[in-house]
Amino acid sequence: QQQVKQSPQSLIVQKGGIPIINCAYENTAFDYFPWYQQFPGKGPALLIAIRPDVSEKKEGRFTISFNKSAKQFSLHIMDSQPGDSATYFCAASGNNDMRFGAGTRLTVKP
Amino acid sequence: NAGVMQNPRHLVRRRGQEARLRCSPVKGHSHVYWYRQLPEEGLKFMVYLQKENIIDESGMPKERFSAEFPKEGPSILRIQQVVRGDSAAYFCASSPQGKHTEAFFGQGTRLTVV
Repeated sequence: QQQVKQSPQSLIVQKGGIPIINCAYENTAFDYFPWYQQFPGKGPALLIAIRPDVSEKKEGRFTISFNKSAKQFSLHIMDSQPGDSATYFCAASGNNDMRFGAGTRLTVKP
Repeated sequence: NAGVMQNPRHLVRRRGQEARLRCSPVKGHSHVYWYRQLPEEGLKFMVYLQKENIIDESGMPKERFSAEFPKEGPSILRIQQVVRGDSAAYFCASSPQGKHTEAFFGQGTRLTVV
């Protein structure tokens, strides 16, 4: 039932580094790929999303790269800050279905 | 402009009792997803419902757990005869019909079984 695989499970970077979180999906019916950010004690919140007709989308310090042929997409956080420390989830949706990755716990050290 | 509302936020139950978790989706959303999250872990899919229908319950334990999303009212996740291992945060998300849709999450219900 694991239709979206996310890695790594956890990630530690120094302030200013560029953490990269990767996801792979199986179902070719998926046509929308959002990322969520979750802080402790809170629900996941939508961060950024991409459609497969573009290979990259950037919003502020967050960038999604998308490789349709490989069925992979990734989140890059530029100039990471301690306030970015959170759990990040990728998701894939389409055909009235949505699946989530297992999450990546990011720690940005000062 | 209410988002996904979950209640209660915190729920304490003794072993053997029943737990009822409620989720009111964003107005107009007809798709609801329930997830369980253990401490320090990711989201585990439980069930996907549309109005009055269970679309995918492949993540639901075979016993004691049930979910519904009636025509009127919130979606309910019901856990009968709770055990300590049921202690977790339960999140509900909703999305509208159609393509290119993202889901919006509630704040979750933290269930503690004592």
